[in-house]
Amino acid sequence: DAGVIQSPRHEVTEMGQEVTLRCKPISGHNSLFWYRQTMMRGLELLIYFNNNVPIDDSGMPEDRFSAKMPNASFSTLKIQPSEPRDSAVYFCASRGEQGRNQPQHFGDGTRLSIL
Amino acid sequence: GDSVTQMEGPVTLSEEAFLTINCTYTATGYPSLFWYVQYPGEGLQLLLKATKADDKGSNKGFEATYRKETTSFHLEKGSVQVSDSAVYFCALNNAGNMLTFGGGTRLMVKP
Repeated sequence: DAGVIQSPRHEVTEMGQEVTLRCKPISGHNSLFWYRQTMMRGLELLIYFNNNVPIDDSGMPEDRFSAKMPNASFSTLKIQPSEPRDSAVYFCASRGEQGRNQPQHFGDGTRLSIL
Repeated sequence: GDSVTQMEGPVTLSEEAFLTINCTYTATGYPSLFWYVQYPGEGLQLLLKATKADDKGSNKGFEATYRKETTSFHLEKGSVQVSDSAVYFCALNNAGNMLTFGGGTRLMVKP
């Protein structure tokens, strides 16, 4: 079975540019999560969707960040304009049934470097 | 709110040594508890889980027991290998969709 697929795996761009990260969740999963991981702050939840609807975006750092989930098999995280402090590894995760017993399944991440 | 506390790393062991990574939590109600492992350059993978008090989760030689009386979920392995070198995250899910993660513990195993 295919896991969570993220693209690109690596992105290097200059500050001020728009960056779009993509995620394909596991088929049949109805919850999707975006995380950011840095050495300084560890793993942070940015936003999560349930049935394609954003439920909690309190972790989105500022208005430069936006996320969409137009359908059950695709989500994007966009940063515009990007800044060097946005450099991090961004992970997408998905989950099947609701309930506290169900684990999240993570993609391999996008390593983003803003110069 | 809910929280998870892990021992700070790095933990450095020789091959075949016994491993313990401590994890304690604070939560209302009856959370489910998880251990995730992150190998270099990869995402987090579920290692094991336990969903109620006294449950023992196990996988790949790793074990952890859900101790409600001490609010702990310590990870153990009897004999570590070099290939176990990774970052380990303890996490809980308490009646919601979101996981609360600990800060992660880096394990380094030397041959």
